[in-house]
Amino acid sequence: EVQLVESGGDLVQPGGSLRLSCAASGFTFSDLYMDWVRQAPGKGLEWVGRSRNKVNRYTTEYAASVKGRFTISRDDSKNSLYLQMNSLKTEDTAVYYCARSTPKDSRHYMDVWGKGTTVTVSS
Amino acid sequence: DIQMTQSPSSLSASVGDRVTITCRASQDISIHLAWFQQKPGKAPKSLIYSASSLQSGVPSKFSGSGSGTDFTLTISGLQPEDFATYYCQQYNSYPVTFGGGTKVEIK
Repeated sequence: EVQLVESGGDLVQPGGSLRLSCAASGFTFSDLYMDWVRQAPGKGLEWVGRSRNKVNRYTTEYAASVKGRFTISRDDSKNSLYLQMNSLKTEDTAVYYCARSTPKDSRHYMDVWGKGTTVTVSS
Repeated sequence: DIQMTQSPSSLSASVGDRVTITCRASQDISIHLAWFQQKPGKAPKSLIYSASSLQSGVPSKFSGSGSGTDFTLTISGLQPEDFATYYCQQYNSYPVTFGGGTKVEIK
């Protein structure tokens, strides 16, 4: 069974740091791109960023709202994706989802999602 | 950035109804559009990719169409389990962007 399980969400003060993890199983993790998407309370979905695969040198893309503060990494040996979040702001409060992105027609679409982990930034 | 505009933002429908949700992109995204369903407190679920391809395991009452800038999601024979919020998403270029969502409620 294909599965993504996020962890690491917590209550953190503004300016603080947090590292989220996403454990993947049931598929060849190393072959695929992976994304982080977040959802603030009562709001819509917001893409956070993407990690490409080894073939594409693990390069990353980020939303403007997190660029320079968040870093996406992965460890293919552990089938895990990470989101290092620094300089956190109250507006980063959200449920954070990781998603698998599958290639199709030279693009990658999100086909499997984890259940999410909650990050609350508050003093 | 490509803006994705969904309409309506909410709708009320009855069991058995056919409903259509539209999504407009601010520029040409070819067919690189996906639709997701989200129920309260749950993760989004993939329904459609490449504008009209049904995700494995998704019932055929869901269908998508469109290309370029204008897209639609149609749900035929609405059932109680279909009452949820639906999002479109473009993945043609970075940043990936989502529509604001359409909440489908019971009339």
